Amino acid sequence: KNEVEQSPQNLTAQEGEFITINCSYSVGISALHWLQQHPGGGIVSLFMLSSGKKKHGRLIATINIQEKHSSLHITASHPRDSAVYICAVSLAPEGNEKLTFGTGTRLTIIP
Amino acid sequence: DARVTQTPRHKVTEMGQEVTMRCQPILGHNTVFWYRQTMMQGLELLAYFRNRAPLDDSGMPKDRFSAEMPDATLATLKIQPSEPRDSAVYFCASGLVRAGQGDEKLFFGSGTQLSVL
Repeated sequence: KNEVEQSPQNLTAQEGEFITINCSYSVGISALHWLQQHPGGGIVSLFMLSSGKKKHGRLIATINIQEKHSSLHITASHPRDSAVYICAVSLAPEGNEKLTFGTGTRLTIIP
Repeated sequence: DARVTQTPRHKVTEMGQEVTMRCQPILGHNTVFWYRQTMMQGLELLAYFRNRAPLDDSGMPKDRFSAEMPDATLATLKIQPSEPRDSAVYFCASGLVRAGQGDEKLFFGSGTQLSVL
């Protein structure tokens, strides 16, 4: 069983819809990362969080340490949000090291 | 904008050949990571450095892979000899990791797409 599980694996939605991607993990962690990988392959770090909630533009990431669960929300989704979203967790104290990755959620936003 | 630079972007080589991938981390970042991405395994950590010193290379096949950081502006990942199963995208990432701090994101390079025939 993977230490990091993401759901759904694939998600297709209409432009404007509210999107939720979920990540569950089975071990104690120091931090959780949400990454975005565009069709061209480049990876962008969206959030690193260890508690609570973070917001950047239309993106919101939340984490519940007790439940070992995190969600990534996208409000007013747009075709340019189409990408693979990857959850990763760190067991190291500093939170950036030795990331274990989920398999990703492929999001497609239809105009 | 500061960015992590990787070269080459694409590399096609024959089995048995040596492959060297290079990474220029963001100036001021003290930690450099090498990751590999395949369809089957997804993203995996191969090795990483802190202040140029190797901290962990347990994800790397030691018999053929080597990672070095000859200076603060260059990290290298070498495969010798290369094998078809090494075909993957290799990403370098850098970050500023400070003891007791937990709010630093990583910055990824564009990756090197390696095909070993």
